[in-house]
Amino acid sequence: QLQLQQSGPGLVRPSETLSLTCTVSGGSISADSLYWGWIRQPPGKGLEWIGTIYQSGSTYYSPSLESRVTISVDAPKNQLSLRLSSVTAADTSVYYCAKGYSHGPVYFDSWGQGTQVTVSS
Amino acid sequence: QSMLTQSPSASGTPGQRVTISCSGSSSNIGSNYIYWYQQFPGAAPKLLIYKNDQRPSGIPDRFSGSKSGTSASLAISGLRSADEAQYYCASWDDSLSGVVFGGGTKLTVV
Repeated sequence: QLQLQQSGPGLVRPSETLSLTCTVSGGSISADSLYWGWIRQPPGKGLEWIGTIYQSGSTYYSPSLESRVTISVDAPKNQLSLRLSSVTAADTSVYYCAKGYSHGPVYFDSWGQGTQVTVSS
Repeated sequence: QSMLTQSPSASGTPGQRVTISCSGSSSNIGSNYIYWYQQFPGAAPKLLIYKNDQRPSGIPDRFSGSKSGTSASLAISGLRSADEAQYYCASWDDSLSGVVFGGGTKLTVV
């Protein structure tokens, strides 16, 4: 059973870059048919998809974030990463990494514990 | 403004059957599968239903999903206090080329 452990700073200054890491254990991040996503949740609000990366290396990003976001995989380290540049207070959210498998791009069956990120000076 | 519309709240009594609805459009629910997630306060979401009506391993058959046209529903039978949570629908949107979530429905078991 794959487990996802998130890490990264909880406080980011406005205009700087948010960087989070999701370390996968219990299996390979490069296993067949797996894909990886990031989803966020602003305080008291609903879920917002950030983007997904597939084994091919192809990435899909939310149109509203596409100009500022990069999702990547470091296979030797078994890690998934999120970078979001030029952050503002509107980017304050709990950020989740999630694993998908085979059953369509909306299928996320394992999630990280979430990282509360606050954008503030 | 979410592309999938859910009622903000729903309620039921123990043992009752409740339905949570999700309304979309031809570019999402109308042409793609619907998925449902359950989220408790302070916890990560959990996949409840995938591909309209399929349950992942470990999800009891009290939870069921359906889709018709551009709308979908999640039904919970034999309601329990432990089912009190936030429920989100989700789908792929062809016009955005991305995943869209509903705004969520808070289920209260009274």
